[in-house]
Amino acid sequence: QSVLTQPPSVSGAPGQRVTISCTGSSSNIGAGYDVSWYQQVPGTAPKLLIYGNNNRPSGVPDRVSGSRSGTSASLAITGLQAEDEADYYCQSYDSSLSGSRVFGGGTKLTVL
Amino acid sequence: EVQLVQSGAEVKKPGESLRISCKASGYRFTTYWIGWVRQMSGKGLEWMGIFYPGDSDIRYSPSFQGQVTISADRSITTAYLQWSSLKASDTAIYYCVRLDTSGYFFDYWGQGTLVTVSS
Repeated sequence: QSVLTQPPSVSGAPGQRVTISCTGSSSNIGAGYDVSWYQQVPGTAPKLLIYGNNNRPSGVPDRVSGSRSGTSASLAITGLQAEDEADYYCQSYDSSLSGSRVFGGGTKLTVL
Repeated sequence: EVQLVQSGAEVKKPGESLRISCKASGYRFTTYWIGWVRQMSGKGLEWMGIFYPGDSDIRYSPSFQGQVTISADRSITTAYLQWSSLKASDTAIYYCVRLDTSGYFFDYWGQGTLVTVSS
């Protein structure tokens, strides 16, 4: 069981908007620790997509955004494209687990 | 340009030892945490631990404490992940990762090293 909970899968048609949730607890997201998101295209290494809850590294399009509220965070992708089909992982820090960086279980995004 | 280049795939037998490596370049090695993330076949990402080359501080995930050893050689800007006695359940892809200056997220990833443990 992952410390952060994500839906196993989401889907959307090209051009649509999808969101992926990431639910934590009072020892991680709820404690104010930042959330990051990673994209993993099958067969490749994960890539940083969002850091500090809502910041995009250089090269990530502005149709990708993140937010955090309470014990949860969300990743939103608008104008869905075929290239967005991938696995997405949220990540934060957990103060109850001795310096642990923790991941969500991952969400498979399918573009219909 | 920051790069993390990992050693190649390994095939080992249960009980054997192994050390895989991650050569870092393009940044000041001693001022960033560097660590490892496991991904078993068809599964999610698991944080294993991190090492700070500046003072050799190490933090392990409770799930991996005692199971692996993380180290680094500052002189050749290389991090290592080591097993003394492999198990079949260690079969996975292992990613080398750099933490950003805040220490909270992984800003660069290596290409991954596939470790297969089979009799």
